Amino acid sequence: AQTVTQSQPEMSVQEAETVTLSCTYDTSESDYYLFWYKQPPSRQMILVIRQEAYKQQNATENRFSVNFQKAAKSFSLKISDSQLGDAAMYFCAYRSARGTASKLTFGTGTRLQVTL
Amino acid sequence: DAMVIQNPRYQVTQFGKPVTLSCSQTLNHNVMYWYQQKSSQAPKLLFHYYDKDFNNEADTPDNFQSRRPNTSFCFLDIRSPGLGDAAMYLCATSSGETSGGIYTQYFGPGTRLTVL
Repeated sequence: AQTVTQSQPEMSVQEAETVTLSCTYDTSESDYYLFWYKQPPSRQMILVIRQEAYKQQNATENRFSVNFQKAAKSFSLKISDSQLGDAAMYFCAYRSARGTASKLTFGTGTRLQVTL
Repeated sequence: DAMVIQNPRYQVTQFGKPVTLSCSQTLNHNVMYWYQQKSSQAPKLLFHYYDKDFNNEADTPDNFQSRRPNTSFCFLDIRSPGLGDAAMYLCATSSGETSGGIYTQYFGPGTRLTVL
């Protein structure tokens, strides 16, 4: 079974600074997808960024980018120019490439605080 | 806008009194998921439907049931809620077909269930 580990329960960053959230995973599969989801307080979970394991190039979405290290099974999220609206719980998630309805396996989350 | 809608947003029930949570989607996605998320924890998949095919997770208690009368709607029934069932219940959808090669899950805002 796959597992996802987020070793930082809480992180804090000053507005306009950069922060990196860590995620490691364990799998015996070679083809899979990785996701970062953001869950603001009392609001719905939204997709931040996704990465296909077969792609070597790191995904980027505006201020959000990932550092995907397949051999190390590491998938960190970098948030540049942090904004107050980035404050949320961030979940790293894994999805097998097998099957069309494979479940997401989530990490335990990292709560990000953004300070002035 | 296409979206995933959950009703009600907040539900209070009594110990042992059956309750039904509702999810609807305008994305026309084949797959609908139900997750349970307890406070400060990662979402945990209960079951999912691929079209009309129901797929239960091995560790989902029998107390939890689901119905999907059509593509747009999916219900979560808790037959005899216990105090331990108090949680946020998240509905998510994904396309059973490739979308850029990735089956991203789209989440609703959740229903927070309180059991008295």
